[in-house]
Amino acid sequence: QKEVEQDPGPLSVPEGAIVSLNCTYSNSAFQYFMWYRQYSRKGPELLMYTYSSGNKEDGRFTAQVDKSSKYISLFIRDSQPSDSATYLCATNLDSNYQLIWGAGTKLIIKP
Amino acid sequence: DVKVTQSSRYLVKRTGEKVFLECVQDMDHENMFWYRQDPGLGLRLIYFSYDVKMKEKGDIPEGYSVSREKKERFSLILESASTNQTSMYLCASKPSSGNTIYFGEGSWLTVV
Repeated sequence: QKEVEQDPGPLSVPEGAIVSLNCTYSNSAFQYFMWYRQYSRKGPELLMYTYSSGNKEDGRFTAQVDKSSKYISLFIRDSQPSDSATYLCATNLDSNYQLIWGAGTKLIIKP
Repeated sequence: DVKVTQSSRYLVKRTGEKVFLECVQDMDHENMFWYRQDPGLGLRLIYFSYDVKMKEKGDIPEGYSVSREKKERFSLILESASTNQTSMYLCASKPSSGNTIYFGEGSWLTVV
């Protein structure tokens, strides 16, 4: 079993829809959770960063961590074609440890 | 803004050639990384370095080596390229005290 599982997609939704992207992880000790966005033929860039459980909101994006079920989510409201990208989740114990990556979900927003 | 620069974006090399991939970061980060990214497999760590002249193996170091002679520069070396090393290679850097990792634009390597 991989430490972080993420459905590779592709996930195709119409413009304006609410998007839900998800990852599950196996190690209950993980504390830090990140979402990276990667456009085609570009490097990943940090989108959201959360520590422990709870929600964090930034504009149209909300990151949610449920440590009891070891489940992390990224919600995108009012999705735009420019949101089309691959979204990677990542987690680790603390800054002294390597990030553990999900495989990435390819998201396509149809105009 | 943090900038991680990978000098070669697209390369085509022949089997058996020695390949150098160069990476430079401008934020004085202690940690630097080389990943490869393949469809369905996600990011896999090849090597990382937490200081000048220091290196540690990642998950898939076989067939690769690295060099870090200066803090800002981290090179990935394929001693004898093989077709199964055709991939996208990503360099990244991170400060020692933080969790945020910053990536370069990637180097697409095709070995024929």
